[in-house]
Amino acid sequence: DGGITQSPKYLFRKEGQNVTLSCEQNLNHDAMYWYRQDPGQGLRLIYYSQIVNDFQKGDIAEGYSVSREKKESFPLTVTSAQKNPTAFYLCASSIASQGNTEAFFGQGTRLTVV
Amino acid sequence: KNQVEQSPQSLIILEGKNCTLQCNYTVSPFSNLRWYKQDTGRGPVSLTIMTFSENTKSNGRYTATLDADTKQSSLHITASQLSDSASYICVVSASLTGGGNKLTFGTGTQLKVEL
Repeated sequence: DGGITQSPKYLFRKEGQNVTLSCEQNLNHDAMYWYRQDPGQGLRLIYYSQIVNDFQKGDIAEGYSVSREKKESFPLTVTSAQKNPTAFYLCASSIASQGNTEAFFGQGTRLTVV
Repeated sequence: KNQVEQSPQSLIILEGKNCTLQCNYTVSPFSNLRWYKQDTGRGPVSLTIMTFSENTKSNGRYTATLDADTKQSSLHITASQLSDSASYICVVSASLTGGGNKLTFGTGTQLKVEL
């Protein structure tokens, strides 16, 4: 089935550790995005990529890093520099053309710092 | 600054009743507006999309309206069902140079439908 898959669904991290969240899509979408969702707040853009080997910072990129070595994959690393990493992380993808393109979301990864 | 504001923050209605959710935005340049439904612990799923020239669009029991002049949208749910309990998020899109869209999300309206 075509879709966008995030793993793991739940992730626990000790303070000071880096952790990588996986996002894979088989929709042949050029654009991929990472969002963070906190209670009472709208989704906030962390990083986005419009093409392989290129990515741009979103509104809250500090403490995060990404790579886009393959079209299908856009992993997000939460580094120890992110001071408040506990949140629900959502990955999305869309076709790159402008206009009424729909962003398709994965099921999310809930990261908890213990 | 691009912003999307939704009201009410939360809403409880009885099964079978109708309700209307509101969205005001200041996103520019405007490309389109979508309403998403997000079940707890899941990713959002698109319900409707509206472009600048569209005033009303329906998807089953969901009807969205858009007033591009006042930058307001509403989502009307008819004959609510228990499965409608979810967060409803208004998302306004601005086109990115080079392709893709930058999405600005509202904080959502948490709807609970009760017996």
